[in-house]
Amino acid sequence: QVQLQESGPGLVKPSETLSLTCTVSGASISSYYWSWIRQPPGKGLEWIGYKYDSGSSSYNPSLKSRGTISVDRSKSQISLKLSSVTAADTAVYYCATMRTGAFEYWGQGTLVTVSS
Amino acid sequence: QSVLTQPPSVSAAPGQKVTISCSGSSSNIGNNYVSWYQHLPGTVPKLLIYENNKRPSGIPDRFSGSKSGTSATLGISGLQTGDEADYYCGTWDSSLNAGVFGGGTKLTVL
Repeated sequence: QVQLQESGPGLVKPSETLSLTCTVSGASISSYYWSWIRQPPGKGLEWIGYKYDSGSSSYNPSLKSRGTISVDRSKSQISLKLSSVTAADTAVYYCATMRTGAFEYWGQGTLVTVSS
Repeated sequence: QSVLTQPPSVSAAPGQKVTISCSGSSSNIGNNYVSWYQHLPGTVPKLLIYENNKRPSGIPDRFSGSKSGTSATLGISGLQTGDEADYYCGTWDSSLNAGVFGGGTKLTVL
């Protein structure tokens, strides 16, 4: 059974870089495209981007090139870095598998608050 | 403003059927698979429908999906109080080269 677990700081200061890690168990990193999705408080889901192993990637244009997703096969981890954060980046962040455009397996999510 | 348009809310009585619409364009729904998600408060979003009308293992056949042109529809029959949740449609947008979601629809089972 595929299990995903996000981890990282719950509080990030404005203008700094948000860094999160998603640890994967029960699946090979090469089996899926890996996505990050977020949900700001009281709002809907927002796709952040995806990465396929050491291959293709794509990001939400609304992030204005602030996001980077990387895959560490040796650790079975997917990471997200989001630079120059503002209060608008406060959200619950989820990692998820992506296949034919659908997100099947999700992590539990982690709340990241951007505040000084 | 979401790329995909969903009604903010729908409601129906227990046992009834409800449909939730998701409207897009040729760059997204018109040429890509649609998926649907159920998000109960305090839980993780759950995939209900993928590739327009397929149900993952464990999803009851009360949930159905369809697509026509640039619109998609989620149907939920035999409504239960436990179905009260937010429902989101999602797809790929080939022009944006990005995943996109609808704004979400809150289902109330009266």
